[in-house]
Amino acid sequence: GQNIDQPTEMTATEGAIVQINCTYQTSGFNGLFWYQQHAGEAPTFLSYNVLDGLEEKGRFSSFLSRSKGYSYLLLKELQMKDSASYLCAVRDMDTDKLIFGTGTRLQVFP
Amino acid sequence: EPEVTQTPSHQVTQMGQEVILRCVPISNHLYFYWYRQILGQKVEFLVSFYNNEISEKSEIFDDQFSVERPDGSNFTLKIRSTKLEDSAMYFCASRSGGAFNEQFFGPGTRLTVL
Repeated sequence: GQNIDQPTEMTATEGAIVQINCTYQTSGFNGLFWYQQHAGEAPTFLSYNVLDGLEEKGRFSSFLSRSKGYSYLLLKELQMKDSASYLCAVRDMDTDKLIFGTGTRLQVFP
Repeated sequence: EPEVTQTPSHQVTQMGQEVILRCVPISNHLYFYWYRQILGQKVEFLVSFYNNEISEKSEIFDDQFSVERPDGSNFTLKIRSTKLEDSAMYFCASRSGGAFNEQFFGPGTRLTVL
């Protein structure tokens, strides 16, 4: 079966660092994506990992361990505008559909 | 910056009516998708489309659903006879060729079935 787990909610303070974890059990794996989604809006692409290790992109970094079925998204120097849901999605091996987790709602407080 | 567009932004319809949701993918993209998100739930894959045919469809995409690319720019999702449980946000997405390119999502159409 397909199972992607993320914490439902997290809170953090402006300027801090937060790590959002994602574990997955899928029948196939061809990459893991992180998307940001503000309430009522479309998901927007943040990062992509297909090989083990860390990908850094400005204030955002994403890590993948395929053997552990584990990824995290690291957000540094948090800003109020980072308050959003963060969606972990695995791309299917045989097709390229995305299988999404339920998302983690992050609230950043001043 | 090119973007995926969708119309309408909101659609209210009566149960049993047909609706057509429209999408204009990014112009040089080759792969097209529809996803839906019921309020408070996760984004779910509906269908993927490439080379003028369906590549894959989910269990949700039953005989009531169809997709079409009627010309070189539009990509539509039709629901023939809407049900209350079809109420959701429907997102169109597209990506260019290449194995690892990300999918770009449109702003969504909020469908409300009464």
